[in-house]
Amino acid sequence: EAQVTQNPRYLITVTGKKLTVTCSQNMNHEYMSWYRQDPGLGLRQIYYSMNVEVTDKGDVPEGYKVSRKEKRNFPLILESPSPNQTSLYFCASLGTGGSDYGYTFGSGTRLTVV
Amino acid sequence: AQSVTQPDIHITVSEGASLELRCNYSYGATPYLFWYVQSPGQGLQLLLKYFSGDTLVQGIKGFEAEFKRSQSSFNLRKPSVHWSDAAEYFCAVVGSYNTDKLIFGTGTRLQVFP
Repeated sequence: EAQVTQNPRYLITVTGKKLTVTCSQNMNHEYMSWYRQDPGLGLRQIYYSMNVEVTDKGDVPEGYKVSRKEKRNFPLILESPSPNQTSLYFCASLGTGGSDYGYTFGSGTRLTVV
Repeated sequence: AQSVTQPDIHITVSEGASLELRCNYSYGATPYLFWYVQSPGQGLQLLLKYFSGDTLVQGIKGFEAEFKRSQSSFNLRKPSVHWSDAAEYFCAVVGSYNTDKLIFGTGTRLQVFP
């Protein structure tokens, strides 16, 4: 089954403790992206990657890092999490094949930073 | 810059009533347009999408949307709402073919009364 897998689904951590949210896709997509969802703000792009070793900032990149060492994986790294990073996070990959163009989203990671 | 506006934050309808959720976008050319639904505690599910051609598109769960270029709108409709349609609905647009960036509206929360 074509899918984007995120882990963990839920995470509670303390301020300043580094964490990584993993994201993996099995569709051989080149483009991947991270979003955060906050009430009243919709989903906002954090970082995206157009291919291996190619990453760029989205709209809200502060406090986040990403890497793309292989096509299937696109982890999101919070080096020193803060309470304002408490949010629901989604990873997505983009298929660009003509009428099949579209994003596939992971199930989300609900992060709480205390 | 491209943007998506969903003017209704919260809509309440009775089960069996018709529904229309509004979406307006800002982009010079014809964008790729999407509607997603998010049930409580769940991820994002694609309802339908529009790229070109027939301006009335059919989606899953009995939803349809109409693209109106003159109004820069892509409103979502359903003739008869079911209690299970209670969820949050997001309109989204890809307006730049260079970055494939998916831009979301702030969402409309639908409440359904029996």
